[in-house]
Amino acid sequence: SAVISQKPSRDICQRGTSLTIQCQVDSQVTMMFWYRQQPGQSLTLIATANQGSEATYESGFVIDKFPISRPNLTFSTLTVSNMSPEDSSIYLCSVQWAGAPTEAFFGQGTRLTVV
Amino acid sequence: SQQGEEDPQALSIQEGENATMNCSYKTSINNLQWYRQNSGRGLVHLILIRSNEREKHSGRLRVTLDTSKKSSSLLITASRAADTASYFCATDDGTASKLTFGTGTRLQVTL
Repeated sequence: SAVISQKPSRDICQRGTSLTIQCQVDSQVTMMFWYRQQPGQSLTLIATANQGSEATYESGFVIDKFPISRPNLTFSTLTVSNMSPEDSSIYLCSVQWAGAPTEAFFGQGTRLTVV
Repeated sequence: SQQGEEDPQALSIQEGENATMNCSYKTSINNLQWYRQNSGRGLVHLILIRSNEREKHSGRLRVTLDTSKKSSSLLITASRAADTASYFCATDDGTASKLTFGTGTRLQVTL
C-alpha cells in the first residue's frame, strides 16, 4: 500500500469561513473519495473526486458547499465553504488502487471544529 | 439509506476475552468489509468477505456472513488492550467506489 497524507490534521475555524483540506498520495491511484464523520457517527460518502473533471456528489452534498479538486492521480482537495458549527466533523480522504479494487485505504483524517 | 446497523454500540471486555460484533445491512451486496478506527483517526482495513463466502479467518479475526439474514459478525479472539478501537462494517457494490458504512461498535479492552 502507499502513504496517504492528509493536511491539516485538525483545525478550529470561525463560522462563515472556508477550509481547504489536502490529500496527497505517494503513488498513482485510480479513485479518490471524501467522507465525513460527524461526532459519534459513522462515515458518509461526500463525493468521488474525478481527475480533470467535476466531482460526483452523493445525495445531500453539493458542489457549492464542498468544492473538490483533483488535478492529477495523486492529489485532491476538499473545501468546506461558509462553515457553520454543524460542519464540525472528521473529514477523511480515501483512495483505491487498481491492484486492490475492493479495499479502501484512508488518510488519518482532518478533525474540524467550527466555532 | 442503505447504512447498516451494528450491535452492540459499545462493548467493554477484559484482555484475553473474545469480542463479538454484529452487523446488519439492508440490500444485496457483493462484499462486506470490516474496518478499525483508532481514536477518531483514519480507518484500517481488517478483512473482506465475499457474498458467496460464509466464513473467513485472518489471525485472531473471524468473520461470518449470512446473506439470507443480511448479517455479518466479527469475532476477535484473545483480545488485547491494543484492540481498543471502533469497528465498522462496510458493504460495497463490487468496488470500493461506494462503501456504505455501518454505525460502528466501540470496543474497550481493559487490562
